[in-house]
Amino acid sequence: GNSVTQMEGPVTLSEEAFLTINCTYTATGYPSLFWYVQYPGEGLQLLLKATKADDKGSNKGFEATYRKETTSFHLEKGSVQVSDSAVYFCALSESGRGSTLGRLYFGRGTQLTVWP
Amino acid sequence: DAGVIQSPRHEVTEMGQEVTLRCKPISGHNSLFWYRQTMMRGLELLIYFNNNVPIDDSGMPEDRFSAKMPNASFSTLKIQPSEPRDSAVYFCASRIRGQTGADTQYFGPGTRLTVL
Repeated sequence: GNSVTQMEGPVTLSEEAFLTINCTYTATGYPSLFWYVQYPGEGLQLLLKATKADDKGSNKGFEATYRKETTSFHLEKGSVQVSDSAVYFCALSESGRGSTLGRLYFGRGTQLTVWP
Repeated sequence: DAGVIQSPRHEVTEMGQEVTLRCKPISGHNSLFWYRQTMMRGLELLIYFNNNVPIDDSGMPEDRFSAKMPNASFSTLKIQPSEPRDSAVYFCASRIRGQTGADTQYFGPGTRLTVL
């Protein structure tokens, strides 16, 4: 089946620190991989995505590389800011044909708090 | 552009009452998803529709929950009768269902439901 496992939070960092949030997945086919972010009191919004092996998604200084050999999609940022404080969700969606195409499977989320 | 619209944003009700949550997807989107988010269980997919047709409702907790999508621009999630364990944030999301499964889901701001 399809599932996503991401590191437990909360993660607390000082401003300008390096961030890594680990994410690994199990999938029956060749999924697309996503990171969504949820700011306090809001819905989830797409942060970045990658659709095939070795693709790198990037946005707002965040990056993640689709690693098929390790079934991973770790999120990284070189220098976090207070405004990055949020909950981060790793997700995958099925590829190929069928009515369930595009259904998202989410991890549990990782709370990030950045202190000034 | 208007995003996904959900109403109400907050709902407080008493156990046993009927609750109806509403969602207006982004115009032109043909897939709609209902999620529930709690601290204990994280983000759960309840049901999703393609072209107004329910595709998978296996995530609906029990018969007290029902969802409809009478047209492309409106969906409801109903709980009858409501119970305290239904307290959660309920999100609606929509997307354009393409051919690859890599399509972005756009989330509404959520409805925070409290059942006393």
